Amino acid sequence: DGGITQSPKYLFRKEGQNVTLSCEQNLNHDAMYWYRQDPGQGLRLIYYSQIVNDFQKGDIAEGYSVSREKKESFPLTVTSAQKNPTAFYLCASSTTGTGISSTEAFFGQGTRLTVV
Amino acid sequence: DQQVKQNSPSLSVQEGRISILNCDYTNSMFDYFLWYKKYPAEGPTFLISISSIKDKNEDGRFTVFLNKSAKHLSLHIVPSQPGDSAVYFCAARPLSSNTGKLIFGQGTTLQVKP
Repeated sequence: DGGITQSPKYLFRKEGQNVTLSCEQNLNHDAMYWYRQDPGQGLRLIYYSQIVNDFQKGDIAEGYSVSREKKESFPLTVTSAQKNPTAFYLCASSTTGTGISSTEAFFGQGTRLTVV
Repeated sequence: DQQVKQNSPSLSVQEGRISILNCDYTNSMFDYFLWYKKYPAEGPTFLISISSIKDKNEDGRFTVFLNKSAKHLSLHIVPSQPGDSAVYFCAARPLSSNTGKLIFGQGTTLQVKP
């Protein structure tokens, strides 16, 4: 079955440590995204990538880094510079283009990161 | 500055009745509007969308209405079922985008009571 897999589902990190969240998709989508969800704030875009070896900052990129070495994979690193990293992180993918099909982003199950 | 706003954090409806979820946006530079449904500890799933050149789109029990002059979007669910209980996010795609890069509202938690 095609889909997006995020791992792990739950992650605990000590303050001051970097941590990497995994996101893999087998939908053959060109575009991938990372969003963060906080209570009462909806989903906010961290980074996105439209093609391999290229990515752009979203609205809240500070303290995060990404890579896109393969079409299927878009890992997110939460660095120690991120001041408030505890949140629910969602990875998504979509096709590209101006038509309606590229508007539909498919989401993974999410990773809940807690800094202890 | 929140470009897409859902001003009602929660809504409670009796099973079988209509649920109306609302969303407002602050600029006209969007070409598509979408609704996503999200259960706790899961990723959102796409529900229904509408092009900015239309004013209504229907899919089974779900209808989305777009009022461009009021910059207002609404999702109607008729009849509501207990399984519809979830968080609903409206989202908009900027005109300049050719991807699924979306701007989301804060979400509205719908509870459908049996």
